[in-house]
Amino acid sequence: DTEVTQTPKHLVMGMTNKKSLKCEQHMGHRAMYWYKQKAKKPPELMFVYSYEKLSINESVPSRFSPECPNSSLLNLHLHALQPEDSALYLCASSRDYRGPYNEQFFGPGTRLTVL
Amino acid sequence: GDSVTQMEGPVTLSEEAFLTINCTYTATGYPSLFWYVQYPGEGLQLLLKATKADDKGSNKGFEATYRKETTSFHLEKGSVQVSDSAVYFCALSPFRNGANSKLTFGKGITLSVRP
Repeated sequence: DTEVTQTPKHLVMGMTNKKSLKCEQHMGHRAMYWYKQKAKKPPELMFVYSYEKLSINESVPSRFSPECPNSSLLNLHLHALQPEDSALYLCASSRDYRGPYNEQFFGPGTRLTVL
Repeated sequence: GDSVTQMEGPVTLSEEAFLTINCTYTATGYPSLFWYVQYPGEGLQLLLKATKADDKGSNKGFEATYRKETTSFHLEKGSVQVSDSAVYFCALSPFRNGANSKLTFGKGITLSVRP
């Protein structure tokens, strides 16, 4: 199984809502990532988890809160978002975070719209 | 710091035309190099990779050769199909002692193939 799955596929939320994005992989990978992608732009790294611990936070606003319940799951909790947070949110995983040859496998993304 | 430069787009070709998408990079040491493809409405898929100089990555008729002397990783395909219409991202991952697998992406280029 070389697949990263993400739910939901689409999400519309108001600025006062609380919602969560979910990501799952069963490749035994120990690094998982959240990216934000705006239209016609490359993905921007938000967070990296390595062995279930937060390794990288790319100065992301606190209205985005990541969580890694176990080595296969990654969540992104959303609260009090702004319309400019509307984007495609991509999850990815790789075998490890340090060392060479660790290509990242991406999920299909969640298309988020903040009204 | 590391960087990836892709040729300006978009690119429009007729079916069965030859494709070249240029990618050059700046990095210390010997990074791993990747091409990712993003079809409309989807996440990123790893298209091919190369991990050392003179390696050739290939997949689905696409090829790219890791050229350290020119710091390039150009993507080529001999005969494009309409189904190849997508956004193509060149990316690198550093390979230095203790380095992480953080991907540096190029800006991406949109390819449209006409029947």
